[in-house]
Amino acid sequence: DGGITQSPKYLFRKEGQNVTLSCEQNLNHDAMYWYRQDPGQGLRLIYYSQIVNDFQKGDIAEGYSVSREKKESFPLTVTSAQKNPTAFYLCASTHPGTGQGNTIYFGEGSWLTVV
Amino acid sequence: AQSVTQLDSQVPVFEEAPVELRCNYSSSVSVYLFWYVQYPNQGLQLLLKYLSGSTLVKGINGFEAEFNKSQTSFHLRKPSVHISDTAEYFCAVSNTGGFKTIFGAGTRLFVKA
Repeated sequence: DGGITQSPKYLFRKEGQNVTLSCEQNLNHDAMYWYRQDPGQGLRLIYYSQIVNDFQKGDIAEGYSVSREKKESFPLTVTSAQKNPTAFYLCASTHPGTGQGNTIYFGEGSWLTVV
Repeated sequence: AQSVTQLDSQVPVFEEAPVELRCNYSSSVSVYLFWYVQYPNQGLQLLLKYLSGSTLVKGINGFEAEFNKSQTSFHLRKPSVHISDTAEYFCAVSNTGGFKTIFGAGTRLFVKA
């Protein structure tokens, strides 16, 4: 079955440490996204990528970095510069221009906790 | 700029009762409208979407929504809820020419026996 796979499901970060969240999709979608979810705040866009080797900052990009070396992969690194990283992180994809109207397909999410 | 307002943060309702979750949006351009559902500790999944055409949209699990352009609303309804409908529901808007989607803060639906 096609879908988006995020790993790990749970991750603990020590102060001053960088961590990377993996996101892989086999939907053949061009666009991929990373969202952060905090209780009561909905979803906020961190980064997005429309094509391979290109990505743009979202609304809360500070303290995060991404890469898009392959169409199916869009890893997110949470750096030590992100002072409050504890949250639920969601990877997603869309296939613009296919008549789906930017319908978003989500992964199962990853919990990151600072210890 | 676009924005989405979900008017209720929590909606408690008894099983088999009807429910309406309210959503208002603002945008200066044409939009697509969506409702997504999130069960605990999971990602979001699409309930329904309005792209064009009929303003009454039917989705999965017996949900429907009506697009009202004059009131800039896209309220979600179900005539009879089940315990299994307990989840968080997100309204979202995307402009027809772009890649970005704006989400509301979410409404937590709690169905009681």
